[in-house]
Amino acid sequence: EAQVTQNPRYLITVTGKKLTVTCSQNMNHEYMSWYRQDPGLGLRQIYYSMNVEVTDKGDVPEGYKVSRKEKRNFPLILESPSPNQTSLYFCASSRRTGTASYEQYFGPGTRLTVT
Amino acid sequence: GENVEQHPSTLSVQEGDSAVIKCTYSDSASNYFPWYKQELGKRPQLIIDIRSNVGEKKDQRIAVTLNKTAKHFSLHITETQPEDSAVYFCAASGAGGTSYGKLTFGQGTILTVHP
Repeated sequence: EAQVTQNPRYLITVTGKKLTVTCSQNMNHEYMSWYRQDPGLGLRQIYYSMNVEVTDKGDVPEGYKVSRKEKRNFPLILESPSPNQTSLYFCASSRRTGTASYEQYFGPGTRLTVT
Repeated sequence: GENVEQHPSTLSVQEGDSAVIKCTYSDSASNYFPWYKQELGKRPQLIIDIRSNVGEKKDQRIAVTLNKTAKHFSLHITETQPEDSAVYFCAASGAGGTSYGKLTFGQGTILTVHP
């Protein structure tokens, strides 16, 4: 089954304790992204990757790191989480559907709480 | 960078009525405009998209229009049904280079369809 998976789905942690949220896709997609979703702010892109070893900042990259060592995996790293990073996080992978269009497949989401 | 404004933030209609959600974008280089639907507790899913070389696109009860000159695009849902109740997000993306893959979302519209 074609899918994007994220782990963990729920996480409660404390300020400053490094954490990693994993994301994996089995659709051989080139593009992968991380978003955070906050009430009233919609989905905001944190980082995106166009291929292995190619990543770029989205709109809200501060406090986050990513890596793309393999095509299927795109982990999100919070080196020193803070309470303002409490949010719902989505990973997505994309395939091109035309010259300038692509459909994003979202993972199930990770609800992170930083106390 | 790109900025996408979405209105209204909430929309309430009676079953069978039409619903219209509007978005404006700031970057004239953007050329791909998808719409996502997110049901409560679920992940966003693509429902329709449009490229900048197309003015209108329809898919059954859903249509999207694009006015590149005015830099706005709209989602039209006709004959609304209770299952259309969800949060709808518009988004905009650029075409080439590192813009490909960078997607900026609007703030979302909560659509409620009353039976």
